[in-house]
Amino acid sequence: RKEVEQDPGPFNVPEGATVAFNCTYSNSASQSFFWYRQDCRKEPKLLMSVYSSGNEDGRFTAQLNRASQYISLLIRDSKLSDSATYLCVVTGRSNYQLIWGAGTKLIIKP
Amino acid sequence: EPEVTQTPSHQVTQMGQEVILRCVPISNHLYFYWYRQILGQKVEFLVSFYNNEISEKSEIFDDQFSVERPDGSNFTLKIRSTKLEDSAMYFCASSERGQYGYTFGSGTRLTVV
Repeated sequence: RKEVEQDPGPFNVPEGATVAFNCTYSNSASQSFFWYRQDCRKEPKLLMSVYSSGNEDGRFTAQLNRASQYISLLIRDSKLSDSATYLCVVTGRSNYQLIWGAGTKLIIKP
Repeated sequence: EPEVTQTPSHQVTQMGQEVILRCVPISNHLYFYWYRQILGQKVEFLVSFYNNEISEKSEIFDDQFSVERPDGSNFTLKIRSTKLEDSAMYFCASSERGQYGYTFGSGTRLTVV
């Protein structure tokens, strides 16, 4: 099983749609969870940390289910500028390293 | 907004040559990292550095790799004898509190020919 597994994508969705990303992780000892976005040939940028209670930041909602080792990200009212690759990231065997999913590419169409 | 600065942005080197990739982390950050991303693949952890020593390294970070913080501001990654498969984007990152608040540099694209 891959350490962090994401939907392969790409997702092609019209502007204004709601899009959901799913992620599973294999290490039950992982302590911290994040969603990053990466634009083509750019560095990853933190979108949001993910907490067990769920958290929301504007149009973005993240959820964590530790029992199922599952993380999700929901984007509502998608904008053209949301087009990017979304990376699910968890901490590894220590909190010093981040383990990355392969990412799901999102393409928002006008 | 504070930035992590990486130089050069692109480096081409011949196989077998040594390269040094440079990074200036954010000044009040205490944790420093190198990650790499081979084109089209996922980001991979290389090494973390805290309190002037390596705190963790991955299997990728073998004897060909080393890191140094020579002067209190720079953080460098050295690859002693580059291989074709070292071609990748190398990202430096720093954080104030471990895994939280990571800031990545814009990367150095290393091409080994």
